[in-house]
Amino acid sequence: GAVVSQHPSRVICKSGTSVKIECRSLDFQATTMFWYRQFPKQSLMLMATSNEGSKATYEQGVEKDKFLINHASLTLSTLTVTSAHPEDSSFYICSALSGTPSYNEQFFGPGTRLTVL
Amino acid sequence: DAKTTQPTSMDCAEGRAANLPCNHSTISGNEYVYWYRQIHSQGPQYIIHGLKNNETNEMASLIITEDRKSSTLILPHATLRDTAVYYCIVRGASSGGGADGLTFGKGTHLIIQP
Repeated sequence: GAVVSQHPSRVICKSGTSVKIECRSLDFQATTMFWYRQFPKQSLMLMATSNEGSKATYEQGVEKDKFLINHASLTLSTLTVTSAHPEDSSFYICSALSGTPSYNEQFFGPGTRLTVL
Repeated sequence: DAKTTQPTSMDCAEGRAANLPCNHSTISGNEYVYWYRQIHSQGPQYIIHGLKNNETNEMASLIITEDRKSSTLILPHATLRDTAVYYCIVRGASSGGGADGLTFGKGTHLIIQP
């Protein structure tokens, strides 16, 4: 099946700093990628939809100026958590869409665990 | 997308078949039933999906009732590595529904006992 990677797998940063997380589709091109967030003992929550060459679409309640998404190529989307605070500590997971307009699949990355001190 | 209901947790003995139910009584005619699982601290993994016919692949079987209001994921010979949270998701496969992000419920925490 299609492979999606994320980097880094875990990151610890100080409060107020920015952190960039990369999501790559390794063996296919993805015009659409998604970013999810998962807090401990909770389910995945969709944060935003990232479309190559255009602005991301954010879910209600997700601050677009805090979570910057760039989808500059068909194989790479990045999520930057700006001015991170302890409440941003979470498991961030991306997925990439593969397939045709009429039928497609989402393939998930392994996740990035962010800890903000 | 239609809402799904799953038991919070289930136990299954190693080597036995694990049967995970899912109710989706509001499913519409063009919506598929998808199953993903998430092993602790990993990204979700696709298992199987179906529309109305039963489906089988190397990982599992999916049984969908004739009225499509419920389905069962079957892991035929569960192993300890199958311990995970299993998510049943209903979604459309058209360009509109299929290109949307997935809505994850709470899923079923399946624990395989040695």
